[in-house]
This record gives sequence, C-alpha cells and structure tokens, in this order.
Amino acid sequence: RKEVEQDPGPFNVPEGATVAFNCTYSNSASQSFFWYRQDCRKEPKLLMSVYSSGNEDGRFTAQLNRASQYISLLIRDSKLSDSATYLCVVNKGHSGNTPLVFGKGTRLSVIA
Amino acid sequence: DGGITQSPKYLFRKEGQNVTLSCEQNLNHDAMYWYRQDPGQGLRLIYYSQIVNDFQKGDIAEGYSVSREKKESFPLTVTSAQKNPTAFYLCASSIRREETQYFGPGTRLLVL
Repeated sequence: RKEVEQDPGPFNVPEGATVAFNCTYSNSASQSFFWYRQDCRKEPKLLMSVYSSGNEDGRFTAQLNRASQYISLLIRDSKLSDSATYLCVVNKGHSGNTPLVFGKGTRLSVIA
Repeated sequence: DGGITQSPKYLFRKEGQNVTLSCEQNLNHDAMYWYRQDPGQGLRLIYYSQIVNDFQKGDIAEGYSVSREKKESFPLTVTSAQKNPTAFYLCASSIRREETQYFGPGTRLLVL
C-alpha cells in the first residue's frame, strides 16, 4: 500500500457543484493530516489542517477516519477559482518533527 | 513581509556542472526542507534540517548536498552525480514541533 494514495482525477465539475476527494494513508502511527492546494506551476499552499473531529472552513470540510485510515475533503458551491490540484499530506510517525508525505494530488477543474 | 524566498526562478545546468539553489526564510522557523517535483508526480523529500548545523537525508538524497550554517538559509547543491536533475525544486519551512510547512515559490532546473 502506498504511504498516501489519492485518486488523480481529473474531476471536471460545473460551477456550484459539490465535489469530494478521498485519500488513504498506510501508517497507522500518523498523527498530523493536511490538505494543500497547488495551482499549475506554483508552490503548494496550506488549505486546511484535518482534525479528528472533522473541521470546516467556509465551503471546505475535512474529515478524518482513523480506523479506516482515510481522509476526505468536501468542497461545496464550487467556484472557478477552486480549479487546482489538491494534495493530501500526512506525517510519517508519532512526533511532530517527522517529515510529511505528500500524495500525488487530485486535479479539479471547475467549469463555467 | 515574512516568507520564504527561492532563487533563481529558473536555472540551467550544463552536463557535469554543480549548481546551487538558494532558500532563505525570515519566519524564524527551525525546520527547513527541500523537495523535488516531477511533472504529474508528488513531492519527494530530498533533505531536511531540524536545527542549525544538522540535517538528514530524505527519500532521494543521492546526487544532492545541503548545508545549514544559518537558521535562515538552507541551500541545495545539485551535483554532477545527479543524472536526471530536471525538475521543480521546492523549499519549505516549519516551526519546530509544529508540522505545517510553508513553501517558497520554487526553482525550475533545466539541463542544457
């Protein structure tokens, strides 16, 4: 099983649609989880951290299922500006100082 | 403004040449990281440093070297031993004991 696995997409959705991305991770000791966004030919930028109880930031909702080692990102009311690649990121081990592992990303295209 | 800077934006390397990529941060972060991203691929960790004068190899360190003489600076040298250096190189930093990483704008390295 890959350390972090994502559906590469692309997901092509109309404006206003709701879209969900899934991610699985292999290391049950992982403690930190994130979603990053990367625009074409740009650096990744933190979208949101993922907390055990789930968390929401405006139109974005992140969920964590530790038992299934599964993370999700839900985007409601999609905007054209949401078009990007979304990276699932997980740390390698117990402590906060372990390196992060990045998934290959899921590409989203929001169409007018 | 606080942030991470990388230079140059584009770099051309001749066969057999060593080149050095610059990464500077004024965020007062202890940890710094170098990643490589190939087209359609995820980020792969080259080297990371948790503190000045200390660094560890990541997953793909062969053909690369780093130094960490100052907290603010973490230059990466791509040596002639790296046979396939063409890629997008990203530098990141994080506060010690906090995993969220912030990225610089990246350097694109091309081989002539």
